[in-house]
Amino acid sequence: DQQVKQNSPSLSVQEGRISILNCDYTNSMFDYFLWYKKYPAEGPTFLISISSIKDKNEDGRFTVFLNKSAKHLSLHIVPSQPGDSAVYFCAASVGQGAQKLVFGQGTRLTINP
Amino acid sequence: DTAVSQTPKYLVTQMGNDKSIKCEQNLGHDTMYWYKQDSKKFLKIMFSYNNKELIINETVPNRFSPKSPDKAHLNLHINSLELGDSAVYFCASSRRLAGGLYNEQFFGPGTRLTVL
Repeated sequence: DQQVKQNSPSLSVQEGRISILNCDYTNSMFDYFLWYKKYPAEGPTFLISISSIKDKNEDGRFTVFLNKSAKHLSLHIVPSQPGDSAVYFCAASVGQGAQKLVFGQGTRLTINP
Repeated sequence: DTAVSQTPKYLVTQMGNDKSIKCEQNLGHDTMYWYKQDSKKFLKIMFSYNNKELIINETVPNRFSPKSPDKAHLNLHINSLELGDSAVYFCASSRRLAGGLYNEQFFGPGTRLTVL
């Protein structure tokens, strides 16, 4: 029972363009969502989060959108830069600041010069 | 300066052996976690400790035994290793905030375990 799914294992985007990473969840109890970024041979690092009381959260080049009715969230990166090439994990929890995070399987983003 | 460190980085061993993975954090956090990233790349929580007390135990076989000697360390001991234990194991830490909430989790670089 994979409650958080990232259906695109990989995504390739031209430098300067927008990258859109998608995530779907099935558990309607989830009300807090996070994106983590992972470089090879390193652990995931926190990127941005959103609470279910919002539908958008922005931090510099990164914006996360939440569509609760569709149980879908997306991460937009604009403009995309070569340093953004990494694996991006979507995660969800019941309650902000909860211990238990449920992760998706990640999407590998490659930014082409 | 590494915030969350794990040793070893790679571990190759035979089926049936017992092995340990160590984790240390120097962030002053009071909560630590073990995650397993399986062959399908999902990161799944295994255990969580807060102030050396076991908080989360996610239906993990009892061959896996976490041990937290202090707040800064959480080790994972695995008995009688099986082929299916091959995975990347990540340690993480966070701080418990007021109201019982936790800040975001900081992850170690992972330990790739291969059981032959």
